[in-house]
Amino acid sequence: RKEVEQDPGPFNVPEGATVAFNCTYSNSASQSFFWYRQDCRKEPKLLMSVYSSGNEDGRFTAQLNRASQYISLLIRDSKLSDSATYLCVVTLTSGTYKYIFGTGTRLKVLA
Amino acid sequence: NAGVTQTPKFRVLKTGQSMTLLCAQDMNHEYMYWYRQDPGMGLRLIHYSVGEGTTAKGEVPDGYNVSRLKKQNFLLGLESAAPSQTSVYFCASSKQGLAYEQYFGPGTRLTVT
Repeated sequence: RKEVEQDPGPFNVPEGATVAFNCTYSNSASQSFFWYRQDCRKEPKLLMSVYSSGNEDGRFTAQLNRASQYISLLIRDSKLSDSATYLCVVTLTSGTYKYIFGTGTRLKVLA
Repeated sequence: NAGVTQTPKFRVLKTGQSMTLLCAQDMNHEYMYWYRQDPGMGLRLIHYSVGEGTTAKGEVPDGYNVSRLKKQNFLLGLESAAPSQTSVYFCASSKQGLAYEQYFGPGTRLTVT
């Protein structure tokens, strides 16, 4: 089983739709969680950190479910500019330093 | 601030050649990282550094060496390039360790023929 798994998509949604992605992780000792956004042929950029209590930033909401070992990202009122690949990141320090990226979920928002 | 910069942006090497990729950051970050990104594999950590003069192996270190002689620079060397090292290489830096955001450079596209 991969340490971090994401549905690669693509998720094709119309403008204005709500879309949600999940990311599962295998190690229950994972410590910190993030969502990054990566545009085609560009570098990843932090979208938001994921806190145990959940957090919201405008149209974006991130949740952590430690019991089921997954994090989620909800995007409301999708914009064309939201089209990108969304990478989840899980960190771990059990004997070694690990900042583990998922392979990403591709989102296409259609006009 | 320029953030994180990488040179070169593109490079084509022949099998067996060597080269060095340069990463520079102007944010006074302690931690720096080198990743490679391949289709379907996600970003994989090659080596990282927790401060000037220190380096450590990541997930896929074989065939690469690194040096961090100055806090702002992190060099990645390919000793004898192989076609399996064809990839996009990203450098990143963070203020401290795992709980902190990583800032990425624009990447270097390397092709080994």
